[in-house]
Amino acid sequence: GAVVSQHPSRVICKSGTSVKIECRSLDFQATTMFWYRQFPKKSLMLMATSNEGSKATYEQGVEKDKFLINHASLTLSTLTVTSAHPEDSSFYICSARRSTAEKLFFGSGTQLSVL
Amino acid sequence: KNQVEQSPQSLIILEGKNCTLQCNYTVSPFSNLRWYKQDTGRGPVSLTIMTFSENTKSNGRYTATLDADTKQSSLHITASQLSDSASYICVVKSRDDYKLSFGAGTTVTVRA
Repeated sequence: GAVVSQHPSRVICKSGTSVKIECRSLDFQATTMFWYRQFPKKSLMLMATSNEGSKATYEQGVEKDKFLINHASLTLSTLTVTSAHPEDSSFYICSARRSTAEKLFFGSGTQLSVL
Repeated sequence: KNQVEQSPQSLIILEGKNCTLQCNYTVSPFSNLRWYKQDTGRGPVSLTIMTFSENTKSNGRYTATLDADTKQSSLHITASQLSDSASYICVVKSRDDYKLSFGAGTTVTVRA
């Protein structure tokens, strides 16, 4: 099956620094990638949808200047948490698909801890 | 508002026993429903996908059912193993905008 690689799996950073998370589709071209945030024992919350070559569409309540998303190629999307604060600590997951009718494949997630 | 509700929130079962997880949804118009297994600290992995016309689908010891009329689905785990300990998430796709609605998940703990 298709593989989505997410890196890093875990990151600890100081408050005020920026953190970049990468999401790669390894064996297919992902026209659309999604970024989610998940708090402990809670469901995934969609943060934004990114289509290759265009600006990401952010869900209501998600600050686009805080969570920068770049989808520069059909196999790579990045999420940058800028000026991270402790409340940004969470589990971030990406997913990717080829088209709207295609199955969604999830990355393995990134646990962000901001001190 | 499209919603997906799962029950129970968590359950503990003994190894070798069976269990059933429930998912009720209000998503309309309905496209498909997936069950995912999410190990702690990992991304979700798809177990089954069901469309409107499908009533049941199996994947090994996992069997999902769907009643599109009552908008209910269940996931049955047979002869549970320790490796089944995980969170199981029900995800429903809307046919309108292809958006996904996620349930909060059921945490299953299998004990020896």
